Parts: sequence; C-alpha cells; structure tokens
Amino acid sequence: GDSVTQMEGPVTLSEEAFLTINCTYTATGYPSLFWYVQYPGEGLQLLLKATKADDKGSNKGFEATYRKETTSFHLEKGSVQVSDSAVYFCALSDRPFNKFYFGSGTKLNVKP
Amino acid sequence: DTGVSQDPRHKITKRGQNVTFRCDPISEHNRLYWYRQTLGQGPEFLTYFQNEAQLEKSRLLSDRFSAERPKGSFSTLEIQRTEQGDSAMYLCASSASDKGENQPQHFGDGTRLSIL
Repeated sequence: GDSVTQMEGPVTLSEEAFLTINCTYTATGYPSLFWYVQYPGEGLQLLLKATKADDKGSNKGFEATYRKETTSFHLEKGSVQVSDSAVYFCALSDRPFNKFYFGSGTKLNVKP
Repeated sequence: DTGVSQDPRHKITKRGQNVTFRCDPISEHNRLYWYRQTLGQGPEFLTYFQNEAQLEKSRLLSDRFSAERPKGSFSTLEIQRTEQGDSAMYLCASSASDKGENQPQHFGDGTRLSIL
C-alpha cells in the first residue's frame, strides 16, 4: 500500500542554517506530494505541493522537488528562522479519492 | 474563505460515554475527510465523503465509530462507548473537486479528545 517515511526528529538548527528534511514514499500509482506544517496548538497548514515528476514546489523560502526515480520529496530551506520552528509533515495523495497518507512528522527547533 | 471549523476544540469524557464532533468544511468544497492523530504521529485516515456519500472507511474505524454528512455540508463523527485508546486529536479536512490533479486538503484545528 501507499506510505510515507520521513526522517525522525527533532532537528535542531541555529538561525540562518540550511535545512533538509528527508521524505521518501511508496505508491502504486502516480501520487501528488505535499508538505504540511503544524505550529503548536494549531491545525496543519499546506506549505507546498508538487503534482508530477520533476515538479518543484516552493513557498516562504521552502522548496521540494518531486523525484520519481528516487521516490523522494525532500524539504529544503536555505536559511531558517526561529519562526520556522514547528512540526513538518510529508504527505502523498492517491486517486481517485484524494486520500492522504502522512509521514510521522519531523519537529524542527531553530535557536537564535 | 473562512476555513475548516471544528467543534468542540477539546472534549474530556469518562470511559464508556458517547461523544460527537462537528466539522464545517470550506463552503465550496464537496470532499470531506476525517483523520485521527496521536501524539508524535502523523494523521491517519478514517473516512471520506463526497457530498453526502461516504465513499471510503478505514479499518481503523471500528463499529463504535460513525460519521455522517447528511446534506453534503457539515459532518459529524460519533464515537460510542469510548475507550482509553480513543484519546487523540480528531482532524477534519476538506478539498475541492479533482480538477485533473489531486487538490490540497485544508485542515481544521482539530478536536482533542481525552478519555478519563
């Protein structure tokens, strides 16, 4: 079945450091891929998406590229800020019902 | 866009009681989903509605769980005879119709259920 695996956290970085959070997936079809972010006490917010191979999703300085050959969708940011501290979830959605499969989340702590 | 609204935000109840949660999706979205999220884990799919039709249910959804979306707008999730293991965050999400690609889901803030 479909599944998502992402690197375990927590990830602790200093402000302005480079961020990579690894995400790999298993899917029987051609899924769309997403990154969501969850701040403490809040629901999940869409961060970025990619719907087909080689697509690059980007938002707020975050980027991720849909790599079909390596079944990966790693999240990157060149310079993190304290305000980026949150839990990040990688997800895929299948057809036809657009059901989402989530990874277990990676907590990011950014220190000043 | 008023977002997905869930009520209540928190529910504390004794084991064996019944609870009901409500979800109001984004008004133009015809797809509605329920997920369960436990501490340190990602959300797990429970069930899906397209308009008023419940089209898929997870094996996680035991006989004690029932969900409805009677008029294709808001939805309710009921848990009967609650158990300790039901303690979790229950998330509702909605999305627009498939327009040739999977649409992002928009999540509510969730209902946190605590079973005493």
